[in-house]
Amino acid sequence: DIVMTQSPDSLAVSLGERATINCKSSQSVLYSSNNKNYLAWYQQRPGQPPKLLIYWASTRESGVPDRFSGSGSGTDFTLTISSLQAEDVAIYYCQQYYSTQGTFGQGTKVEIK
Amino acid sequence: EVQLVQSGAEVKKPGESLKISCKGSGYSFTSFWIGWVRQMPGKGLEWMAIIYPGDSKTRYSPSFQGQVTISADKSITTAYLQWGSLKASDTAMYYCTRRRYYDSSALIDYWGLGTLVTVSS
Repeated sequence: DIVMTQSPDSLAVSLGERATINCKSSQSVLYSSNNKNYLAWYQQRPGQPPKLLIYWASTRESGVPDRFSGSGSGTDFTLTISSLQAEDVAIYYCQQYYSTQGTFGQGTKVEIK
Repeated sequence: EVQLVQSGAEVKKPGESLKISCKGSGYSFTSFWIGWVRQMPGKGLEWMAIIYPGDSKTRYSPSFQGQVTISADKSITTAYLQWGSLKASDTAMYYCTRRRYYDSSALIDYWGLGTLVTVSS
């Protein structure tokens, strides 16, 4: 199984400031045949189901604000919220979807400082 | 609009059986893998099983193989997850999910609102 590890477990950021979440996979999720990273980010607001934010490591899902961006390749990835808004309070999960198992990271809780 | 409408919350006793459902609409039900993700109280996300309603092909996470059964009725565009004998440790929120791609990749593009299952004596 591919193990996904996120850091930090939680962070508190002031409104309008940048939030950065890291995700590391135990093996590469870069598929050589198409040169794509099988890495997604989901947002889970309190009391709601998760929502797809980013896939292929850096492609924003339709309707996702451009303050959310993803980067990285191979085994190391980052989700950045460029200017934190109140509605961004949530738990964020990375997921590798290279394998059918589709393992998730443990989640990072983002709060307002 | 793609929708995954799940059945309501359940309260069961240990040893009882249960079948929860998820009705898909707004898309071709037989052309996408549909599956279930578990979230235990205060915990993260765990993929359980998927089914391709077009041919009823299934895949299970090793962690859940033999513990649950996934099925689908394409005539009513509904997927199911069932337990033969519930345990207290099955207490969790269960999300119905749709996978974006037909290949083996696990990208989830739509989620249901969840079905809360509580197992307590």
